[in-house]
Amino acid sequence: DSGVTQTPKHLITATGQRVTLRCSPRSGDLSVYWYQQSLDQGLQFLIQYYNGEERAKGNILERFSAQQFPDLHSELNLSSLELGDSALYFCASSAGSTTQYFGPGTRLTVL
Amino acid sequence: GQNIDQPTEMTATEGAIVQINCTYQTSGFNGLFWYQQHAGEAPTFLSYNVLDGLEEKGRFSSFLSRSKGYSYLLLKELQMKDSASYLCAVRDGRSQGNLIFGKGTKLSVKP
Repeated sequence: DSGVTQTPKHLITATGQRVTLRCSPRSGDLSVYWYQQSLDQGLQFLIQYYNGEERAKGNILERFSAQQFPDLHSELNLSSLELGDSALYFCASSAGSTTQYFGPGTRLTVL
Repeated sequence: GQNIDQPTEMTATEGAIVQINCTYQTSGFNGLFWYQQHAGEAPTFLSYNVLDGLEEKGRFSSFLSRSKGYSYLLLKELQMKDSASYLCAVRDGRSQGNLIFGKGTKLSVKP
């Protein structure tokens, strides 16, 4: 158990819909990262937050957005969902720029 | 640009030793990580190298040569539970903590 929690574990929705994925970092970690992992694809970095501020952006679509709240939990919002958005979404946290520890992931299925 | 290469699949025998190679090209380098990921589960941290040389941790060792842009993960006394994907990731020195992942090497351990 890494100490990073993610909810929900599974999510099934339809094309065009909007969903919110939630992540709570390890106690004391200020940085939160979001990754997407599609079937047979590597982990794709989406976005990083540090203590509530956006720190770095990767291959994140405009339909996707994220935020980190004062209690340091983070949410990833995915809108206008397409079939290709079906993937595992992982959240990771770290204390500054040290080792990242991953949550169990949310498996999103778009039908 | 950034590019990380590792073999797609490898097979080894229980009790044997296997070496998984990773080559990288990045415009900034600030450390290399190895993660283990069982299918459908979260990546778990194995090792971190920032200086040249070998880091040993139990049955797992990781080596780094920064001048060659090369790393390997060595797994000794293979066990069936070591069957998993092994992800090489480089920390981009230009953005704090941001990891660029390779697509992973799927290791199958046979009896």
